[in-house]
Amino acid sequence: NAGVTQTPKFQVLKTGQSMTLQCAQDMNHEYMSWYRQDPGMGLRLIHYSVGAGITDQGEVPNGYNVSRSTTEDFPLRLLSAAPSQTSVYFCASSYRGATTDTQYFGPGTRLTVL
Amino acid sequence: QQQVKQSPQSLIVQKGGIPIINCAYENTAFDYFPWYQQFPGKGPALLIAIRPDVSEKKEGRFTISFNKSAKQFSLHIMDSQPGDSATYFCAAGGTGANNLFFGTGTRLTVIP
Repeated sequence: NAGVTQTPKFQVLKTGQSMTLQCAQDMNHEYMSWYRQDPGMGLRLIHYSVGAGITDQGEVPNGYNVSRSTTEDFPLRLLSAAPSQTSVYFCASSYRGATTDTQYFGPGTRLTVL
Repeated sequence: QQQVKQSPQSLIVQKGGIPIINCAYENTAFDYFPWYQQFPGKGPALLIAIRPDVSEKKEGRFTISFNKSAKQFSLHIMDSQPGDSATYFCAAGGTGANNLFFGTGTRLTVIP
């Protein structure tokens, strides 16, 4: 099993550009989530999904969109990037939920918005 | 506001020492308290977790102590090794809820 994979590993964007961060898992997990990690802030939940076709907002959803068309994939879209979105982004998955089963994190995408 | 407060921000101990990292929470609905370990350039990995029906949980050299009345929990690392040098995050959430709230992290350095 590859576990949770994320692409790209690094990305530089200009303000106003859009992009999609990819996340995939091969563990047949129902729950998937996106976090951002900023110095001194820990990890903060952006969006999550409890199954294909179901998504919901986390703690810091503004500026981000998600969709879940398959169990395996959970892409994160930045529609108009802003410097405040410079961060390291982690995707995670677990069998049922963040507080019921072990969450497995991907290796992260480091995003810089100029 | 920060749902989970973590201290200290950084910690340096000698090999064999017992670093202790503390976390506090306010929301009494929280009943799941995991600790994550993160090495540079990697994603966090679950280390150990506790639910409030017990006051202590051990897994190998890692121990969580939980004080429900004080709404505090802590991580102790016995016989610490240089390989334990990493950033440690506590977190808290409610069973059945889908949000997990993280502390701000503690960077641990174990000196040989």
